[in-house]
Amino acid sequence: AQSVSQHNHHVILSEAASLELGCNYSYGGTVNLFWYVQYPGQHLQLLLKYFSGDPLVKGIKGFEAEFIKSKFSFNLRKPSVQWSDTAEYFCAVNSGYALNFGKGTSLLVTP
Amino acid sequence: DGGITQSPKYLFRKEGQNVTLSCEQNLNHDAMYWYRQDPGQGLRLIYYSQIVNDFQKGDIAEGYSVSREKKESFPLTVTSAQKNPTAFYLCASSIEGGISYNEQFFGPGTRLTVL
Repeated sequence: AQSVSQHNHHVILSEAASLELGCNYSYGGTVNLFWYVQYPGQHLQLLLKYFSGDPLVKGIKGFEAEFIKSKFSFNLRKPSVQWSDTAEYFCAVNSGYALNFGKGTSLLVTP
Repeated sequence: DGGITQSPKYLFRKEGQNVTLSCEQNLNHDAMYWYRQDPGQGLRLIYYSQIVNDFQKGDIAEGYSVSREKKESFPLTVTSAQKNPTAFYLCASSIEGGISYNEQFFGPGTRLTVL
């Protein structure tokens, strides 16, 4: 069965630090990959997605992610985090009808 | 304003009662989905519907039921058979079902507490 694994459940960073959140999936076929973010009290919203082409995708608010097919990975990065990036981040994979989510990473950015 | 509305935001029910959560979208999307979010568990798919009058079970459908009589509405009933119903429920929609690169749009969620 398809699964998505996020390695870090809780991350605490100081403002201006660099961020990398790990995401690995287990599925041998064609997949489409997503990162969603849930800010406190807000809807889940799309940060970025990959479905073909350049494996380095850029999303909103300065986030980017790199699809490495050989490693089954889709890690999320941001060079310099801000306090407003405090949120929960979900990696998701879709190979057919619906999204399969990881368990999420809670990011706290301290001033 | 286009989007997905879920009501109510908070819902309390006594154990053994069925409860129906509302989900409405005015995005003209064909596909709709219900997920359950528990702390540390991520989101898990309960049911999805690719088109009106059709729906399929997701990974954790036991104890839940849905209907899709109208394109814009996809209500979820949490029955008394659901052993652990207290959770945050999220409804989502996408333009087409079965197209895996389509983005899903999410509603604000309903937090159900069973006492």
